[in-house]
Amino acid sequence: AQKITQTQPGMFVQEKEAVTLDCTYDTSDPSYGLFWYKQPSSGEMIFLIYQGSYDQQNATEGRYSLNFQKARKSANLVISASQLGDSAMYFCAMRASGTGRRALTFGSGTRLQVQP
Amino acid sequence: DTEVTQTPKHLVMGMTNKKSLKCEQHMGHRAMYWYKQKAKKPPELMFVYSYEKLSINESVPSRFSPECPNSSLLNLHLHALQPEDSALYLCASSQGLEALYGYTFGSGTRLTVV
Repeated sequence: AQKITQTQPGMFVQEKEAVTLDCTYDTSDPSYGLFWYKQPSSGEMIFLIYQGSYDQQNATEGRYSLNFQKARKSANLVISASQLGDSAMYFCAMRASGTGRRALTFGSGTRLQVQP
Repeated sequence: DTEVTQTPKHLVMGMTNKKSLKCEQHMGHRAMYWYKQKAKKPPELMFVYSYEKLSINESVPSRFSPECPNSSLLNLHLHALQPEDSALYLCASSQGLEALYGYTFGSGTRLTVV
């Protein structure tokens, strides 16, 4: 079975500060992909960053980086230099290989609010 | 073209109406997905199509009827819905059912059932 856990329902961060959003996952499949999406109030699901289970280096995309700790089964999102436009809902998601669920499984989400 | 386009963006329908949601992609993706998202909750998988054939139905009530007429188009036909079906409906696509990356989402249809 695949499971994604986000333990922070809400987070506050000051503008220009860095923030870490937590995500842990559980799968018995050796091959999997981990995703972070941003969902503003408009509803669209915006892809931020991807980490494959066999990737040797942590993924980075501009101000976004993924702190991937495979042994601990964690894939935390780090946003550097927060901006007011970063205020949104953030979802961690996973797609594992094998004969299990062949679609993305989402965590419960973290609502980030950036304060001026 | 790296987009998934969903229409309409907003829909209000009565419980006796019949309506359809449309999703279109031109990325050559062969797997397409419908998700339902209630307010302040994560998206929940409803249906998966692979090569225009229904691959997964997550025990969705029959008042939701998916259709994949070709490799670029995915429809969700709605009939006799209930107010609790009001939600954001998201469409997504990927290269194939086995893809571990490259999922693209549309901007969603916000449905209100009155």
